[in-house]
Amino acid sequence: NAGVTQTPKFQVLKTGQSMTLQCAQDMNHEYMSWYRQDPGMGLRLIHYSVGAGITDQGEVPNGYNVSRSTTEDFPLRLLSAAPSQTSVYFCASSYSAGQGGSPLHFGNGTRLTVT
Amino acid sequence: LAKTTQPISMDSYEGQEVNITCSHNNIATNDYITWYQQFPSQGPRFIIQGYKTKVTNEVASLFIPADRKSSTLSLPRVSLSDTAVYYCLRWLKTIFGAGTRLFVKA
Repeated sequence: NAGVTQTPKFQVLKTGQSMTLQCAQDMNHEYMSWYRQDPGMGLRLIHYSVGAGITDQGEVPNGYNVSRSTTEDFPLRLLSAAPSQTSVYFCASSYSAGQGGSPLHFGNGTRLTVT
Repeated sequence: LAKTTQPISMDSYEGQEVNITCSHNNIATNDYITWYQQFPSQGPRFIIQGYKTKVTNEVASLFIPADRKSSTLSLPRVSLSDTAVYYCLRWLKTIFGAGTRLFVKA
């Protein structure tokens, strides 16, 4: 039982480059979300999805795109990387989006540096 | 936004009980309160959740008063390994607050 798997664990990009952070879960969870965490700060919600084909913006969506073509996968795309996007990115999933009784399961994070 | 409010940091000693309170004045009727623990370089880990009154599991207790505008996470007899950041979360767009940094001293 792998849970939530994020790849890569580390990534260095140059300003203007694009890339996709991968997130996959094997728990058949409806809800998936992406967060970023800057040093010494809490987590900020980027985008989330309540099911396949449905996505919505969180607190800090600018500069990021997501899609949810399958229940298992929720990739996060950086369109044109900027130094301000240097952060640790966490993906999370939950059994149900409609009820508050479903805890979030987190991946181990992707540490991204943009130079 | 559905953010919660917590103390920024707390200090304690090994063996003491620690209580961390979270304010969530605008909580919705069907919101649950969930608490997470985060160690450096790791993703947050679920600790406990509740809707009202008191919930207890093997690691913590959660107290939620009748008006549900706040909740208190209680960690009995903390150890050095409980040093971490603790977040409370209400279920609305799963938006986290800044969390409480707990430092347990020997």
